[in-house]
Amino acid sequence: QVQLQESGPGLVKASETLSLTCTVTGYSISDGYYWAWIRHSPGKGLEWIGSIYYSGTTYYNPFLTSRVTMSADTSKNQFSLKLTSMTAADTAVYYCARDVVVTGLNWFDAWGQGSLVIVSS
Amino acid sequence: EIVLTQSPATLSLSPGERATLSCRASQSLSNNYLAWYQQNPGQAPRLLIHGASSRATGIPDRFSGSGSGTDFTLTISRLEPEDFAVYFCQQYLTSPRTFGQGTKVETK
Repeated sequence: QVQLQESGPGLVKASETLSLTCTVTGYSISDGYYWAWIRHSPGKGLEWIGSIYYSGTTYYNPFLTSRVTMSADTSKNQFSLKLTSMTAADTAVYYCARDVVVTGLNWFDAWGQGSLVIVSS
Repeated sequence: EIVLTQSPATLSLSPGERATLSCRASQSLSNNYLAWYQQNPGQAPRLLIHGASSRATGIPDRFSGSGSGTDFTLTISRLEPEDFAVYFCQQYLTSPRTFGQGTKVETK
């Protein structure tokens, strides 16, 4: 059974870059599926940030694309998120998830527990 | 982007009762490109339904999805104690994929 676990700092200073990693167990990220980051904030609700294939192909939310970089490390079975120029509006619980591709990017069939990130001024 | 509006925000019911949750899209979702998720406090979201009406693996048959176009419904036929949670809908017709703001099903 696939399991995902986010890791990274719980506190980030405004204007700095957030770095998060998702470790996947029970499934190899190079066996298929895309892998996604999603966040949940009181102000904007659930928001898809972006998705990556193990080969490096990425799709980002157009509203965040200028600030987002995702990468994948098949040797560690991990994928990562970098989000630059953090502001208070980026305070959220960040989830990693498995992204099902049937007709394009579709739904998310497994999620991590989430990692709370607070942006301090 | 497509906006999903869920109603009601909170639903107060007793175990054994029927729950009916609504998700309305700002434009028609062709091919019923809509999913539903359940989230209990402190837990990861869980996929319930995709394609508006197809239950995900391991989801009990008391959960059912219906609807088309802009109006979709998640029905829980008889509420079990573990069903008191927050439910979200999500569209995957266009990018960016978007979510509703959620409906909380609480114990009356």
